[in-house]
Amino acid sequence: DGGITQSPKYLFRKEGQNVTLSCEQNLNHDAMYWYRQDPGQGLRLIYYSQIVNDFQKGDIAEGYSVSREKKESFPLTVTSAQKNPTAFYLCASSPSAGGSYEQYFGPGTRLTVT
Amino acid sequence: GENVEQHPSTLSVQEGDSAVIKCTYSDSASNYFPWYKQELGKRPQLIIDIRSNVGEKKDQRIAVTLNKTAKHFSLHITETQPEDSAVYFCAASSPLNQFYFGTGTSLTVIP
Repeated sequence: DGGITQSPKYLFRKEGQNVTLSCEQNLNHDAMYWYRQDPGQGLRLIYYSQIVNDFQKGDIAEGYSVSREKKESFPLTVTSAQKNPTAFYLCASSPSAGGSYEQYFGPGTRLTVT
Repeated sequence: GENVEQHPSTLSVQEGDSAVIKCTYSDSASNYFPWYKQELGKRPQLIIDIRSNVGEKKDQRIAVTLNKTAKHFSLHITETQPEDSAVYFCAASSPLNQFYFGTGTSLTVIP
């Protein structure tokens, strides 16, 4: 299960607070991704990064922000502007940008905002 | 963009029977089709994948078929076992695009 880690496993926040989810990989992968998983909706892409210091919005980027200052790290900040932040968040990485490579997933962070 | 539809959303089979999950996609440029298995509370893990230059791929009890003309691909699990119970996701992607996932199929294998 090693290679890509997320912390913490569970996270609780009050409404109106920003919160940052950690994602680290030691696979030397160029590309990293953040997904949100809600019951019955599969995985929806929030942001992805193909290379250090570059990232693109996915389908549901509103209310989220990311940074990619190091190859191995891709933290996700859930801002107070995200209307419904409670969800299971999955980080993934792949050897290269583009879709023709397997994505390796982290164990996920379950965020609950009350 | 790409649109991936997955059916059924839930599937129950008796142990030893076969299970089939089907996905359709819309973007003819998509050329990579992975299947992921996700057990409750755990990360999705790749179980099999297929590229558009191949029509079928098999790995022990698991097989995937691809029909590029019809834009659909299917996961086949034979001789199902209780440990096959999980949520299965299909996905489609192209070299210039990110992954698009189906909405998942919850498979229950009844002992």
